Amino acid sequence: DTEVTQTPKHLVMGMTNKKSLKCEQHMGHRAMYWYKQKAKKPPELMFVYSYEKLSINESVPSRFSPECPNSSLLNLHLHALQPEDSALYLCASSRGETGNQPQHFGDGTRLSIL
Amino acid sequence: GNSVTQMEGPVTLSEEAFLTINCTYTATGYPSLFWYVQYPGEGLQLLLKATKADDKGSNKGFEATYRKETTSFHLEKGSVQVSDSAVYFCALSRNRDDKIIFGKGTRLHILP
Repeated sequence: DTEVTQTPKHLVMGMTNKKSLKCEQHMGHRAMYWYKQKAKKPPELMFVYSYEKLSINESVPSRFSPECPNSSLLNLHLHALQPEDSALYLCASSRGETGNQPQHFGDGTRLSIL
Repeated sequence: GNSVTQMEGPVTLSEEAFLTINCTYTATGYPSLFWYVQYPGEGLQLLLKATKADDKGSNKGFEATYRKETTSFHLEKGSVQVSDSAVYFCALSRNRDDKIIFGKGTRLHILP
């Protein structure tokens, strides 16, 4: 069982819809991450939150909007997505005090844009 | 810049065969090194890690040794099982940095 929980597991939405992906961890980790993973590719970093503040945005289009309501929760708000945004979206967390701390991943939300 | 290069897949082996997946890295300073595994339909799981030169990470029969002189972190297992079929990612992170840099991944198929 994964210690990082993502909901929903699957999401199908139209290009005009607004939806949100949710991620939760109760390990006391101070860093949380969103990744996008296309088939047969490694995960691509999108956003990093450190102590509930956005610390890294990898030039992600504004149709993706992250939010960190508290130290255990991370959301990704989606609006006006494009078909090429269909992918597996992974959330991860880490203790993060130094770079040698591994990241713990959820099982992801598989997103399909119609 | 910092990068990770791992052998192209897919790698297909018979059950009980010896496994090696090569990984080399380029990095400034002294990065930490990781192997992650992704089973079908799941997220990534940390398989093992090493944080300094000559460290050996091990888990579930898998091993990898941090070789600074050859900038390598090759993954090995003495006897693979069908359940080891997955995608394996070599990765590095720089100290005091929240980012992980992943290799492209190696897909492993184990035949019964």
